[in-house]
Amino acid sequence: KAGVTQTPRYLIKTRGQQVTLSCSPISGHRSVSWYQQTPGQGLQFLFEYFSETQRNKGNFPGRFSGRQFSNSRSEMNVSTLELGDSALYLCASSSRGSSYNSPLHFGNGTRLTVT
Amino acid sequence: SQELEQSPQSLIVQEGKNLTINCTSSKTLYGLYWYKQKYGEGLIFLMMLQKGGEEKSHEKITAKLDEKKQQSSLHITASQPSHAGIYLCGADIAGRNSGGYQKVTFGTGTKLQVIP
Repeated sequence: KAGVTQTPRYLIKTRGQQVTLSCSPISGHRSVSWYQQTPGQGLQFLFEYFSETQRNKGNFPGRFSGRQFSNSRSEMNVSTLELGDSALYLCASSSRGSSYNSPLHFGNGTRLTVT
Repeated sequence: SQELEQSPQSLIVQEGKNLTINCTSSKTLYGLYWYKQKYGEGLIFLMMLQKGGEEKSHEKITAKLDEKKQQSSLHITASQPSHAGIYLCGADIAGRNSGGYQKVTFGTGTKLQVIP
């Protein structure tokens, strides 16, 4: 089975621009979660989607949004980029969508640099 | 403050030595997970622990969830350079109160270096 695929692998953007990141989960997985990882804050939960519905959201501003398609593929969008948005963005999928009995499987991430 | 505290933050050990990494929470841990990350890459799932007192092993790595389900430890026996990386614990702290939704909180990570 193919793992979680994230594209692009690297991205360089300028302040004020917007960006869209893509994630294809493991086949059969319906839950997709997004995380932001920075040296200072570690791994921070952004949001989770299950069957095209956002079920949970972390403490991030409204500039961060996402969606999930009927084939479970997911995208996240960041508008009006700020320097502080530079981070590794990680996508993870799970089979059951319940975090106490279903581990997350991560992609290799998208490294976003905002200049 | 972090909901999940990991200690130590970093560790340098000689190849062949044993080591332990701890993950502590002030709340009950549900679905405790251990991951390994190479710099700039994704997280690799190692083990999942759910029941208090549960212990699991994979090759030379053993993880245990204490009886009260508020602390977990990861033990590596006879460390090798291939064990180097960042180890992260993750857990569902809200448990069933979250509605069963997928939300894993992660610790700050422990950076492990193994010197040949």
